[in-house]
Amino acid sequence: SQELEQSPQSLIVQEGKNLTINCTSSKTLYGLYWYKQKYGEGLIFLMMLQKGGEEKSHEKITAKLDEKKQQSSLHITASQPSHAGIYLCGADTSGTYKYIFGTGTRLKVLA
Amino acid sequence: KAGVTQTPRYLIKTRGQQVTLSCSPISGHRSVSWYQQTPGQGLQFLFEYFSETQRNKGNFPGRFSGRQFSNSRSEMNVSTLELGDSALYLCASSLGGQRGYTFGSGTRLTVV
Repeated sequence: SQELEQSPQSLIVQEGKNLTINCTSSKTLYGLYWYKQKYGEGLIFLMMLQKGGEEKSHEKITAKLDEKKQQSSLHITASQPSHAGIYLCGADTSGTYKYIFGTGTRLKVLA
Repeated sequence: KAGVTQTPRYLIKTRGQQVTLSCSPISGHRSVSWYQQTPGQGLQFLFEYFSETQRNKGNFPGRFSGRQFSNSRSEMNVSTLELGDSALYLCASSLGGQRGYTFGSGTRLTVV
């Protein structure tokens, strides 16, 4: 099984709707990152969370970290077609700067 | 500020051949990691280098190797290519510590 599980695996929403993507770790988190990827391209850094309870926002995207539950959520408000892509969470679960990634959530936003 | 540069962008090789991929990190970044991405397995960690030393290694066979030079540029080599090695290979660099990685656009390797 994956050390980082993301849910849902894919999501189709109507433009303007809110949505949430979850990332759950089976191990301790030493820093969690959210990235976005367009198909076949590199990953674009969205935000980094390090402390339990930490919450960060960038434009219409908000990410939270629940250290006790070893879980993070990414919330998009009023989704737009430009939000479409694959969202990946990445984390160091060993404390050795070895970053692993979740399986990704494929988001499609219908105009 | 230049981003992470990976060369070449696309590569087609024959089974049994070997290949070398190159990654130039952001200036000042000392940590470089390599990942393999396939539709079936997702993003899999290959190895991480910091100041020319391999600090972490993923669960890949010995055919996959890498190195980092004194200017932080990194190369990865895959010998005796197999069809299953076809993938997008991504390189990422970081200042080090828990600072997050910046990814390159990747090298798409196709083995025929």
